[in-house]
Amino acid sequence: DQQVKQNSPSLSVQEGRISILNCDYTNSMFDYFLWYKKYPAEGPTFLISISSIKDKNEDGRFTVFLNKSAKHLSLHIVPSQPGDSAVYFCAASFGNQFYFGTGTSLTVIP
Amino acid sequence: GAGVSQTPSNKVTEKGKYVELRCDPISGHTALYWYRQSLGQGPEFLIYFQGTGAADDSGLPNDRFFAVRPEGSVSTLKIQRTERGDSAVYLCASSPLAGAQETQYFGPGTRLLVL
Repeated sequence: DQQVKQNSPSLSVQEGRISILNCDYTNSMFDYFLWYKKYPAEGPTFLISISSIKDKNEDGRFTVFLNKSAKHLSLHIVPSQPGDSAVYFCAASFGNQFYFGTGTSLTVIP
Repeated sequence: GAGVSQTPSNKVTEKGKYVELRCDPISGHTALYWYRQSLGQGPEFLIYFQGTGAADDSGLPNDRFFAVRPEGSVSTLKIQRTERGDSAVYLCASSPLAGAQETQYFGPGTRLLVL
């Protein structure tokens, strides 16, 4: 039973444009959400997070939006750069357990 | 480097064999997590340690899987009587303390293939 879902396996964006990665979850107990970035043959790297008491968190080119009523979060990358090309996982947590989505492979075209 | 390291990077074994996967966390990190990532899936939580004790092992799929962290640093994930379905990348992560707001630092993973 997948509690965190990323329905787009891949996304291609032109350099300089906005990348929007989406994530849906089913468990209303989740109270913290995270995005990780993963390059091939490496472990995931933490990117940005948001608490369930907020609806937006921004860090440089990266912004995460949380819509609790829709059980939806998204990651915006503006402007997108070729180095952003990677697999992006969203994750949700309650307690000390973390549930990951299946990932979205982002390709930023120069 | 001072990151999380995992050994071996790749492990090929035969069905029914026993394997051990090792994780060296970042020095001083109290919390340590094990995940399993199957092909096309995201990391799946297995177990986490707070110090030497397994604080939550509810993600271990069955009793063939066991993990230890005897001195609160290095951890070993042990899989008995391996099955082909155990083939996956096993990821380890550590964080200074347990908790969602503590950044987890992942190792590169051990790719296990059971023939």
